[in-house]
Amino acid sequence: GNSVTQMEGPVTLSEEAFLTINCTYTATGYPSLFWYVQYPGEGLQLLLKATKADDKGSNKGFEATYRKETTSFHLEKGSVQVSDSAVYFCALSEKGSTLGRLYFGRGTQLTVWP
Amino acid sequence: NAGVTQTPKFRVLKTGQSMTLLCAQDMNHEYMYWYRQDPGMGLRLIHYSVGEGTTAKGEVPDGYNVSRLKKQNFLLGLESAAPSQTSVYFCATWPRTASRYQETQYFGPGTRLLVL
Repeated sequence: GNSVTQMEGPVTLSEEAFLTINCTYTATGYPSLFWYVQYPGEGLQLLLKATKADDKGSNKGFEATYRKETTSFHLEKGSVQVSDSAVYFCALSEKGSTLGRLYFGRGTQLTVWP
Repeated sequence: NAGVTQTPKFRVLKTGQSMTLLCAQDMNHEYMYWYRQDPGMGLRLIHYSVGEGTTAKGEVPDGYNVSRLKKQNFLLGLESAAPSQTSVYFCATWPRTASRYQETQYFGPGTRLLVL
């Protein structure tokens, strides 16, 4: 089956620290991979995505590389800001699926202190 | 464009009461989904619809019903609310296009439901 495993949170960092949030997946097919961000009181927004092996998704200083050999899609940012405080979700969808269903990890709460 | 909107934003119910959550979209997307979000659980799929007049069960459908009478609206109903249905509910849409595998789902802002 399909599943996503994220590192346990919460994660607390000081401003300008380096961020890594681990994400690994299990998929029956060849998935597309996503990171979503949820700011307090809001819905989910797509942060970045990658649709094939070795692709790197990037946005707002965040990056994640699709690693097929390790079935991973870790999220990184070199220097976090207070405004990055949010919940981050890793997700996958099967390319062969006609349903477009997303499978989510549990989410990782990030808090950045000034 | 409003995108995906949800009504209401917040609601408190007593056990046994019923209510309907409305999701509306103006993007002409074929697919629509209802998720629930619980602490430490991520998002779980309740029901989904691949087009007007069609619905199907997702991962956690028990206690919910849905209807898609119009393409732009997807309703989620709770016939007899239970405290276990206290959650945040998100609606999402997905386009049915040739390049849909490049697309992601678009989410509404959520409805926070508390069942006492």
